[in-house]
Amino acid sequence: QVQLVQSGAEVKKPGASVKVSCKASGYTFTGYYMHWVRQAPGQGLEWMGRINLQSGGTNYAQKFQGSVTMTRDTSTRTAYLEMSGLRSDDTAVYYCARRFSGQYYFDYWGQGTLVTVSS
Amino acid sequence: EIVLTQSPGTLSLSPGERATLSCRASQSVRTSFLAWYQQKPGQAPRLLIYGASSRATGFPDRFSGSGSGTDFTLTISRLEPEDFAVYYCQQFGSSQWTFGQGTKVEIK
Repeated sequence: QVQLVQSGAEVKKPGASVKVSCKASGYTFTGYYMHWVRQAPGQGLEWMGRINLQSGGTNYAQKFQGSVTMTRDTSTRTAYLEMSGLRSDDTAVYYCARRFSGQYYFDYWGQGTLVTVSS
Repeated sequence: EIVLTQSPGTLSLSPGERATLSCRASQSVRTSFLAWYQQKPGQAPRLLIYGASSRATGFPDRFSGSGSGTDFTLTISRLEPEDFAVYYCQQFGSSQWTFGQGTKVEIK
């Protein structure tokens, strides 16, 4: 069965960087895109960007350009989200979500990774 | 960027009642680019409706989606206890995805 398993919770100081992983199983990894969505405490969903798992090509939401890097390792079937220059308002649950090329919805989601930014 | 506005923010209903959730876009959205998700506390969102009206695997037919252009609707015909959750609409346009702010369906 399809599974997206994310890395564990992180606590970071302002200005630091964090790298969250999303390990996929149960399907052909490179046939999909991986999107990243975050949710601040008590707030709604915010799309951050996506990576083409075949080519590695990325597309980031304008808000996150320059502070976010999405990569993937096809040998371990893992996608990564790296954020730099963390601020307190980056405190959120970060989700990875799968999308098939040619479809426009996210059919499987990871369980989420809580990133807390606090001094 | 296309902005999605969901209404109402909170819907207080009793089990067995009908729920009607609205999602309005700031520009026209292709129906194939409109999806709905259900999120329960402490859980990841779950795909509910795609292509504006196609139900995802695992959801019963009391859930239905409709609409076109700038106005989309999610209807739950008869609320069951497990349907009380937050619902988000999502769209794709100009290489960007955006979500509405969500509608919470709570028990009255």
